[in-house]
Amino acid sequence: NAGVTQTPKFRILKIGQSMTLQCAQDMNHNYMYWYRQDPGMGLKLIYYSVGAGITDKGEVPNGYNVSRSTTEDFPLRLELAAPSQTSVYFCASSMLPSGYEQYFGPGTRLTVT
Amino acid sequence: KQEVTQIPAALSVPEGENLVLNCSFTDSAIYNLQWFRQDPGKGLTSLLLIQSSQREQTSGRLNASLDKSSGRSTLYIAASQPGDSATYLCAVNPDYQLIWGAGTKLIIKP
Repeated sequence: NAGVTQTPKFRILKIGQSMTLQCAQDMNHNYMYWYRQDPGMGLKLIYYSVGAGITDKGEVPNGYNVSRSTTEDFPLRLELAAPSQTSVYFCASSMLPSGYEQYFGPGTRLTVT
Repeated sequence: KQEVTQIPAALSVPEGENLVLNCSFTDSAIYNLQWFRQDPGKGLTSLLLIQSSQREQTSGRLNASLDKSSGRSTLYIAASQPGDSATYLCAVNPDYQLIWGAGTKLIIKP
């Protein structure tokens, strides 16, 4: 039982490039989330999913896209990377959205230059 | 809009002291509150989760309390050790997401 896994751990992108951050969970959780954490700040929700095929925007969705084709996987796509997207990205999952613990992956540290 | 505040932003104490970290939130309509630990350049480790119906939770040297009516939670660390040095984040769960504080950076001096 690996929990929540994320790849890559680190990545450097040039402005305008695109990439996909991978996230997978093996706990059969319905709910999955993408957060970003800027230096010295708390996490902010980018997108979340309530199940396969269903996604919705969080607080800071601009510049990102997501898809959820399976229960296990929830990739985050960055199109036309910008320096403002330099951050640490965390994926999380939970059985239900409210009142249940969220389990976090190790994070992806992304730098856009 | 739910806002979460953690004061102080940084705290330095000698080894062996007991200490309290504070977390306040503006809307008492939450399902639970979680405390996390984050080591530099690392991911998040969940320390304690307090359901809205609970007043406190304990794990080893850690004790977290929750007072929904006043919008406050505290994380008490007993007999602090240098290994406790990290950033401590609290987050509240009002609906489908977690709303986070900015954290308290704790340094335990040997």
